Amino acid sequence: GEDVEQSLFLSVREGDSSVINCTYTDSSSTYLYWYKQEPGAGLQLLTYIFSNMDMKQDQRLTVLLNKKDKHLSLRIADTQTGDSAIYFCAERNRDDKIIFGKGTRLHILP
Amino acid sequence: EAGVAQSPRYKIIEKRQSVAFWCNPISGHATLYWYQQILGQGPKLLIQFQNNGVVDDSQLPKDRFSAERLKGVDSTLKIQPAKLEDSAVYLCASSLDRRFLRERRIQETQYFGPGTRLLVL
Repeated sequence: GEDVEQSLFLSVREGDSSVINCTYTDSSSTYLYWYKQEPGAGLQLLTYIFSNMDMKQDQRLTVLLNKKDKHLSLRIADTQTGDSAIYFCAERNRDDKIIFGKGTRLHILP
Repeated sequence: EAGVAQSPRYKIIEKRQSVAFWCNPISGHATLYWYQQILGQGPKLLIQFQNNGVVDDSQLPKDRFSAERLKGVDSTLKIQPAKLEDSAVYLCASSLDRRFLRERRIQETQYFGPGTRLLVL
């Protein structure tokens, strides 16, 4: 089965908050990441959280980690058209490899 | 600071042909990765180099894929012969020396290039 799972699509109105969810399976994960991929571009690291933290905030981005449920979320406040992209959740697993989810395509409605 | 450079950006070949991709990492980055990203999927690690040595190639299909980083700087990834299922974006990423970062408990950040989009017909 998949090590990292996330929903494939999310539509949000401009100005609203976007919440992208992710679940992972490796309880020994050390770091969890959110990457952003815009069309025709490589992946850009947005933020990461160490596994002993439960929250991290960075400007419009808030990451929540529920280690017990192995659930990670990314909240983007005041979503803008420039936030339209694919967002990848990833974990650094016990083998020190980064495992990516399939990505959530965020679509911004006017 | 210049980012990770990759070329070509696009390549179309017929099955059974050969193809090579090139990556120039960020200056000073000892660790280099090649990922394969199939449409609709997340990136999957193919091979990891530390300077000019291979650290992990467990997911590289070695019957047809090869990669080298002879001088520990830029790297090439080759597919010979290509199959239809090799159609994907091939991403190169680099980071500072992982061992250095790990010893100092510093989070490693991988910087990705724009990728090479391969279509095998």
